[in-house]
Amino acid sequence: DVKVTQSSRYLVKRTGEKVFLECVQDMDHENMFWYRQDPGLGLRLIYFSYDVKMKEKGDIPEGYSVSREKKERFSLILESASTNQTSMYLCASRASGTGGNEQYFGPGTRLTVT
Amino acid sequence: QKEVEQDPGPLSVPEGAIVSLNCTYSNSAFQYFMWYRQYSRKGPELLMYTYSSGNKEDGRFTAQVDKSSKYISLFIRDSQPSDSATYLCAMSAGYGNNRLAFGKGNQVVVIP
Repeated sequence: DVKVTQSSRYLVKRTGEKVFLECVQDMDHENMFWYRQDPGLGLRLIYFSYDVKMKEKGDIPEGYSVSREKKERFSLILESASTNQTSMYLCASRASGTGGNEQYFGPGTRLTVT
Repeated sequence: QKEVEQDPGPLSVPEGAIVSLNCTYSNSAFQYFMWYRQYSRKGPELLMYTYSSGNKEDGRFTAQVDKSSKYISLFIRDSQPSDSATYLCAMSAGYGNNRLAFGKGNQVVVIP
């Protein structure tokens, strides 16, 4: 079974703080993703990575950065957290070269910025 | 026009009924279709995956794709209270494409 884990289930941070969200997958997947999920807006892609040290912007990258130093780990960084970044953050991974395009999600981190 | 349209519900059904969910889409290049189940405050879980048109069955779940109508469906037979969740459709074009287009999710409540 694919296992994607996220460092925290719930996180409360103050406006202006630097926030790190960590994601680890144990299936040797090449591709990893960060989404945020908001009521009425659905899932929106923030960034993804197709290899170590490689990244591509998604649909809403503003205010976020990412880091992928090891294949199994993908970090999302909020440089200066703002209240409009309060959301559910979901990490996902996908294998290259086999099967199709299905992505496997972690349990999510519910971030509240006050 | 949004790329993927999905009725948000909620859809309430009695236990044992058939649940019927669907999504429509506008991009004729989509070839890979997925259904995810998401319980409250959890991450989405891959439920069904299909390629191109046709049907796929897995236990009580059946996924259908009609590419000519740009319409996909998920059927849940003999629904159980444990099926109460939000169901998201997702789709993509091209093998190895990292971009998924998601529906906004349809909440299902199965009443015991």
